[in-house]
Amino acid sequence: AQSVTQLGSHVSVSEGALVLLRCNYSSSVPPYLFWYVQYPNQGLQLLLKYTSAATLVKGINGFEAEFKKSETSFHLTKPSAHMSDAAEYFCAVRDSSYKLIFGSGTRLLVRP
Amino acid sequence: KAGVTQTPRYLIKTRGQQVTLSCSPISGHRSVSWYQQTPGQGLQFLFEYFSETQRNKGNFPGRFSGRQFSNSRSEMNVSTLELGDSALYLCASSPWTGESSYEQYFGPGTRLTVT
Repeated sequence: AQSVTQLGSHVSVSEGALVLLRCNYSSSVPPYLFWYVQYPNQGLQLLLKYTSAATLVKGINGFEAEFKKSETSFHLTKPSAHMSDAAEYFCAVRDSSYKLIFGSGTRLLVRP
Repeated sequence: KAGVTQTPRYLIKTRGQQVTLSCSPISGHRSVSWYQQTPGQGLQFLFEYFSETQRNKGNFPGRFSGRQFSNSRSEMNVSTLELGDSALYLCASSPWTGESSYEQYFGPGTRLTVT
């Protein structure tokens, strides 16, 4: 069965600093992986997806993620944090029945 | 294209009542999924509909049900509401064509409070 683990329920960075949000997955088949962002009182917005085309995936708002099969990881990064990046971020894997399995989420705080 | 819309956005109900939530997918999307989000359990899959048929179901009691109409709009119903049903209910639609099949686009959610 597929599963996702997000390390760190809260991450705090200074504005302009590197953002690194960690995600490890478990999957018995080649995974389809996603990162979503959720702003307060809103739904989930798709940031980026990995579907085996390229290991380095670029998404919206300057975010990118690298798929590392050997480490079963799909960490999300952004070179320079903005105040507007403060939100909750969810990593997800699509399971064999096409539903999304979500991690528990990481709340990103950006300090001025 | 308009995004996924959900109505109502906020709802307050009393224990024992029932509730119906509505979701309109992105135009052309044939798959609609429902998720429940709570602080304690996180995001949990409820069910998925494709071409008016329930294709997948999560581990929720039979009080939770849904349906999809021929225009792909979907409704979910919760009967005999319990306090623990208070949550944000999210609807997501998927195009289900080619590689984009795996993308799900979420609506803003319906915040249900059960008192």
